Amino acid sequence: DVKVTQSSRYLVKRTGEKVFLECVQDMDHENMFWYRQDPGLGLRLIYFSYDVKMKEKGDIPEGYSVSREKKERFSLILESASTNQTSMYLCASSSGQEVLFFGSGTQLSVL
Amino acid sequence: SQELEQSPQSLIVQEGKNLTINCTSSKTLYGLYWYKQKYGEGLIFLMMLQKGGEEKSHEKITAKLDEKKQQSSLHITASQPSHAGIYLCGAGNTDKLIFGTGTRLQVFP
Repeated sequence: DVKVTQSSRYLVKRTGEKVFLECVQDMDHENMFWYRQDPGLGLRLIYFSYDVKMKEKGDIPEGYSVSREKKERFSLILESASTNQTSMYLCASSSGQEVLFFGSGTQLSVL
Repeated sequence: SQELEQSPQSLIVQEGKNLTINCTSSKTLYGLYWYKQKYGEGLIFLMMLQKGGEEKSHEKITAKLDEKKQQSSLHITASQPSHAGIYLCGAGNTDKLIFGTGTRLQVFP
């Protein structure tokens, strides 16, 4: 079975904290993605990566950065968390133009 | 940029009823994906359509892509409580997918 694992299901952080969201896939996929999902706005792409040490900005990269040191791991970093970053964060991976496989999501609350 | 519009935004049906969810694209679709999301969880892949006029079925769910490849529909026959969730369509012509805002389906006994 294919698997995309996100490190936390629920996370509560304080404004100004540095936050790391981790995602690991075991399918040897080249492509990895971070989305956030908000009511009424759907899924919006934050960052994606086509290869190790490579990253591309998505539609809403402001306030975020990413790291891909190994092929299987893609980390999303909130340098200084703010309340408007409270959201559901979804990681996904794919190989070429095939189907995206998603993790279970991390519900982040920033207080 | 391409946009996907889903309708309806929300649907409440009685168990056993049929229903249809639509997804309309602002540009020609080269790959249309349907996903289901249980509340508070990740997305589960349902089906992918690529050719105009293509139709695929899995159990009681049927998805179609129109000939012009700008609209897709998802039809559920004899709905069950297990069908409840959020249905999202996704589209992409590169390795990047964009998604519609989703249709929230509730099925009551």
